[in-house]
Amino acid sequence: QLQLQESGPGLVKPSETLSLTCTVSGDSISSNNYYWGWIRQPPEKGLEWIGSTYYSGSTYYNPSLKSRVTISVDTSKNQFSLKLSSVTVADTAVYYCARPQDGNYYVSWGQGTLVTVSS
Amino acid sequence: EIVMTQSPATLSVSPGERATLSCRASQSVRRNLAWYQQKPGQAPRLLIYGASTRATGIPARFSGSGSGTEFTLTISSLQSEDFAVYYCQQYNNWPPPYTFGQGTKLEIK
Repeated sequence: QLQLQESGPGLVKPSETLSLTCTVSGDSISSNNYYWGWIRQPPEKGLEWIGSTYYSGSTYYNPSLKSRVTISVDTSKNQFSLKLSSVTVADTAVYYCARPQDGNYYVSWGQGTLVTVSS
Repeated sequence: EIVMTQSPATLSVSPGERATLSCRASQSVRRNLAWYQQKPGQAPRLLIYGASTRATGIPARFSGSGSGTEFTLTISSLQSEDFAVYYCQQYNNWPPPYTFGQGTKLEIK
């Protein structure tokens, strides 16, 4: 059974870099043609697609975040990671990792992790 | 970027009644449209993809329709567990970005 689990600091200071990791179990990141994704949700707000990565390292980012986002993959650990630089309070959100299905809709989601940006 | 607009923002419906939620795309997404349900403190759950195909395990009371720019999610007879926030997402673009609607909160009347 596929499981995704986000991990990382729950508190980040303004101007610093947010770093999260998604650990995948029950499936191999490199065994299927999926672009594994990151999505976030500010408190009481809607969903925002951040970006996605293929096991080869190919990535796509939301243009609104592109200058600050880096998504990478570590197939040896079956993990993929998110880095968001120069964070502000507006980056406070629950961050989800997710796996799509044949189309790029998301079938499997992690439980989400709240990251608060505050000094 | 394709903008997804959902209406209404909040919908009040009594249990047992029908709920109809709308999602509009700023340009055609063909049938590359998904619907999700989200309950407080939980991750979104995929309900519908391809505009009208129910995901695994989704009850038949959930149905989706539409193509191009206009889409509808219908819940035929509301159960207590259906009261939640619903999001649409287009995945027509390649390469991304994919975009979500702002959500419709379905509340008990």
